[in-house]
Amino acid sequence: GESVGLHLPTLSVQEGDNSIINCAYSNSASDYFIWYKQESGKGPQFIIDIRSNMDKRQGQRVTVLLNKTVKHLSLQIAATQPGDSAVYFCAENIGSNYKLTFGKGTLLTVNP
Amino acid sequence: GAVVSQHPSRVICKSGTSVKIECRSLDFQATTMFWYRQFPKKSLMLMATSNEGSKATYEQGVEKDKFLINHASLTLSTLTVTSAHPEDSSFYICSARAWGAFFGQGTRLTVV
Repeated sequence: GESVGLHLPTLSVQEGDNSIINCAYSNSASDYFIWYKQESGKGPQFIIDIRSNMDKRQGQRVTVLLNKTVKHLSLQIAATQPGDSAVYFCAENIGSNYKLTFGKGTLLTVNP
Repeated sequence: GAVVSQHPSRVICKSGTSVKIECRSLDFQATTMFWYRQFPKKSLMLMATSNEGSKATYEQGVEKDKFLINHASLTLSTLTVTSAHPEDSSFYICSARAWGAFFGQGTRLTVV
């Protein structure tokens, strides 16, 4: 279930810096992971995914790293831009049925 | 491709009334859709799995008589919040399962 917490974890970076957003997932049986970006008042947008038979996957300006040993996922955003400001969620899934369990999210703020 | 449309995007209703939210897959068919609920500054919590032509499957703690789900066609699932109360105010988001999980833009429900 969702972690109890009063505040969303936050990360503040300067424009042009690289950002690293971390996520701990809960189910060792999960074999498919997705990162989503959510802007205020909107639904989640797919960023990148990775399956458990990989430990790294790269997209355009984004890289996802998976460490199954410690059940940890990270999203790296290169040359962060103001338009990257949003809440980022990791989601885990078993068997690619897309019945997703979301992590608690991280608010990324990019300062110009 | 893979566009999911939710309607309405915002709705305000009086306490005790019912509200219907639609989730449509516009350019693909989805035998399975998912409904999530999101409180401010919190993560998405899965409420139920909507299956075309059969009963929805609800997550533990979600009242099926309160949140009625109908998936009458391969492109439409509806969530009806019955006898809404202020505590039902939330952001409701659907996703449709295809070759990925595609999210709608969400519905902000405010019960007054």
